[in-house]
Amino acid sequence: AQTVTQSQPEMSVQEAETVTLSCTYDTSESDYYLFWYKQPPSRQMILVIRQEAYKQQNATENRFSVNFQKAAKSFSLKISDSQLGDAAMYFCAYRVGGGSQGNLIFGKGTKLSVKP
Amino acid sequence: DTGVSQDPRHKITKRGQNVTFRCDPISEHNRLYWYRQTLGQGPEFLTYFQNEAQLEKSRLLSDRFSAERPKGSFSTLEIQRTEQGDSAMYLCASSLSTFSGYGYTFGSGTRLTVV
Repeated sequence: AQTVTQSQPEMSVQEAETVTLSCTYDTSESDYYLFWYKQPPSRQMILVIRQEAYKQQNATENRFSVNFQKAAKSFSLKISDSQLGDAAMYFCAYRVGGGSQGNLIFGKGTKLSVKP
Repeated sequence: DTGVSQDPRHKITKRGQNVTFRCDPISEHNRLYWYRQTLGQGPEFLTYFQNEAQLEKSRLLSDRFSAERPKGSFSTLEIQRTEQGDSAMYLCASSLSTFSGYGYTFGSGTRLTVV
């Protein structure tokens, strides 16, 4: 069975600094997708960034980038120039690809605090 | 279309009562998912529909839970004889099957408190 592990329950970063959130996963599939979702307090979960496993190039979305290490099954999120609005729960998620009907599997999340 | 809508936002109920939640997905999305999220945990999959067909159910979905999506549009999740352990955030999400790699769009959730 596929699993997603986030080993950092909480992280803190100074405003304007850079922080990296860790995620590892376990799967025997070769075709899959990885995601980072952000869930602000009492607000809906939104997609931050996605990565296709067959692409070696790391995904980037403005201040957010990932370090995807397929062999190590690692998928970390780097937030550059952290802003107060980045404070939230961050969830790493996995989904098998290839047109499968599989659902998203989430880690337990990392709570990110941003200090002014 | 304003995204995925869930109603109600909050529900407090007495143990043993039945509750029903509603989810309206993005109109062109043919897949709809229900997840449960307890405090300090990531969302856990409950069930999903493709159009009106319920294609997968998690073991978390006991026989007290039932979900429907009668016309392939909105969906309802009913919990019968609620228990305190049912207290959680119930999240709905939708997606388009042909773009499964793009993740889901989530609603704001229904927070259930069983007292």
